[in-house]
Amino acid sequence: DVKVTQSSRYLVKRTGEKVFLECVQDMDHENMFWYRQDPGLGLRLIYFSYDVKMKEKGDIPEGYSVSREKKERFSLILESASTNQTSMYLCASSAVSNDYGYTFGSGTRLTVV
Amino acid sequence: ELKVEQNPLFLSMQEGKNYTIYCNYSTTSDRLYWYRQDPGKSLESLFVLLSNGAVKQEGRLMASLDTKARLSTLHITAAVHDLSATYFCAVNTGTASKLTFGTGTRLQVTL
Repeated sequence: DVKVTQSSRYLVKRTGEKVFLECVQDMDHENMFWYRQDPGLGLRLIYFSYDVKMKEKGDIPEGYSVSREKKERFSLILESASTNQTSMYLCASSAVSNDYGYTFGSGTRLTVV
Repeated sequence: ELKVEQNPLFLSMQEGKNYTIYCNYSTTSDRLYWYRQDPGKSLESLFVLLSNGAVKQEGRLMASLDTKARLSTLHITAAVHDLSATYFCAVNTGTASKLTFGTGTRLQVTL
């Protein structure tokens, strides 16, 4: 069964902490994405990557960075967590063609206190 | 900037009834995706529409795409309670398969 695995389902962090959200896919997909989902705002793209060591800013990259050292792993980093980064974070992957759409991970609900 | 709009945002319907969710988008695209999200869960792929006139059906759901009108519809036939979820459409903008999502339609099917 193909999968996108996010390391934590729930996470509570303090303001100012550096936070790492990990995402691993086993489908040999080239593209990987990080979205955040907030009530009333839908899904917003933070960063994406179309190859190892490549990254592109999405619509709301401020306060975030990413790392893709290996094809299967895409990490989202909150450099200094703030309360307005409390959200559901969704990782997804797709093939280059995107003929089958994204496969999403189960999500990480992050609370910053 | 690509905008993807869904309506209605919230839909309450009785079991056995039919209804349609609409997804409009603002720029040219020949690909559209529908996803389902259950409360507290992640998104699950429902349909991938890859060309103008594409129609896909699965059970009580049918999706179609009209790229000239920049419109996709998700039609629900004889709704059942298990279809209660939030449904998202998403449009491919072409850059590394980047998708822009609509705001979602929360469907509640009452007994």
